[in-house]
Amino acid sequence: GAVVSQHPSWVICKSGTSVKIECRSLDFQATTMFWYRQFPKQSLMLMATSNEGSKATYEQGVEKDKFLINHASLTLSTLTVTSAHPEDSSFYICSAGRAGQLVGELFFGEGSRLTVL
Amino acid sequence: KNQVEQSPQSLIILEGKNCTLQCNYTVSPFSNLRWYKQDTGRGPVSLTIMTFSENTKSNGRYTATLDADTKQSSLHITASQLSDSASYICVVSARNSGYALNFGKGTSLLVTP
Repeated sequence: GAVVSQHPSWVICKSGTSVKIECRSLDFQATTMFWYRQFPKQSLMLMATSNEGSKATYEQGVEKDKFLINHASLTLSTLTVTSAHPEDSSFYICSAGRAGQLVGELFFGEGSRLTVL
Repeated sequence: KNQVEQSPQSLIILEGKNCTLQCNYTVSPFSNLRWYKQDTGRGPVSLTIMTFSENTKSNGRYTATLDADTKQSSLHITASQLSDSASYICVVSARNSGYALNFGKGTSLLVTP
């Protein structure tokens, strides 16, 4: 099956620093990638939709200047949490849709746990 | 408003027993319904995906059913194993919405020895 890889799987950083998380589709081209945030025992919350070669679309309440998304190629999207604060500590997950797929099967990455001290 | 409701919120069963998880949705017009398994600290893994014309689909010990008329789906797990302990998430898509997904809050399943 299709594989989506996230890196790093976990990261600890100091408050005020920036952290970049990568999401790669390993064996298929993904025109669209999604970034989610998940707090403990909560469902996934969509943060933004990333389309290759264009600006990301952010969900209401998500600060685009704080969560920078870049989708420069058909296999890579990055999420940068800028000036991270402890309240940004969460589990961040990406998903990717295979280009040309009609039903819209999505493949999820393994997630990246961010802890901001 | 498109909503996906799952029940029960949590469930504890003995190893070897069967269980059924429920998903009710109001998403319209309906496109497809997926069940995902999410282990703690991991990303969701797809179990089944069903479109309007499908009313049952199996993946090993997992069997999903769909009643598009009543807008209900169930996930039946047969002969549960300890490794089935996870959160099971129901996700529904609307037609012509591209990849837009409506997530349920999940059912947390614990299988005990």
